[in-house]
Amino acid sequence: GDSVTQMEGPVTLSEEAFLTINCTYTATGYPSLFWYVQYPGEGLQLLLKATKADDKGSNKGFEATYRKETTSFHLEKGSVQVSDSAVYFCALRGNYGQNFVFGPGTRLSVLP
Amino acid sequence: AAGVIQSPRHLIKEKRETATLKCYPIPRHDTVYWYQQGPGQDPQFLISFYEKMQSDKGSIPDRFSAQQFSDYHSELNMSSLELGDSALYFCASSPPGGLIYNEQFFGPGTRLTVL
Repeated sequence: GDSVTQMEGPVTLSEEAFLTINCTYTATGYPSLFWYVQYPGEGLQLLLKATKADDKGSNKGFEATYRKETTSFHLEKGSVQVSDSAVYFCALRGNYGQNFVFGPGTRLSVLP
Repeated sequence: AAGVIQSPRHLIKEKRETATLKCYPIPRHDTVYWYQQGPGQDPQFLISFYEKMQSDKGSIPDRFSAQQFSDYHSELNMSSLELGDSALYFCASSPPGGLIYNEQFFGPGTRLTVL
């Protein structure tokens, strides 16, 4: 079945550091790929998405590029802020299914 | 903009009791999904409904049932609660016009604690 693998956390960075959270997937066909963020005590919020190979999703300084050749969708941000501290979930939605498959989540802590 | 509404936000029950969680999708969304997120875990898909019919089923225990009503709201009924059912339960909805590539909009979740 479809699956998503993310780098293990927690990730601790200083403010203004560069962020990369790796995400790879296994799926049949051509899934859509997503990054969701979950702040403490809150629900899941869509951060960005990409629906086909070589698409780049971007939002709030975060970027991720859909790489079909490496089945990856790594999340990057050039300069993190304390307010970016949250849990980040990589997810896919297969084109033959409705539900999302989530990765295990990566907790990010940004220190001032 | 209207979002997905879930009620209650917090619920405390004892073992073997029953619980009902409600989800009100974004207006004009016709598909509802339920997910369970245990402590420190990723959300796991339980079940989904499209136009009031069950459309997909994931890892939902037999003790749980769900339905979608004519106004598209959905209820997740949980019986014979166990300690392991303590989790955050998310509802998500998506709009009509095709299932492919549509994102799901998540509600804030209901935190269920079973004592």
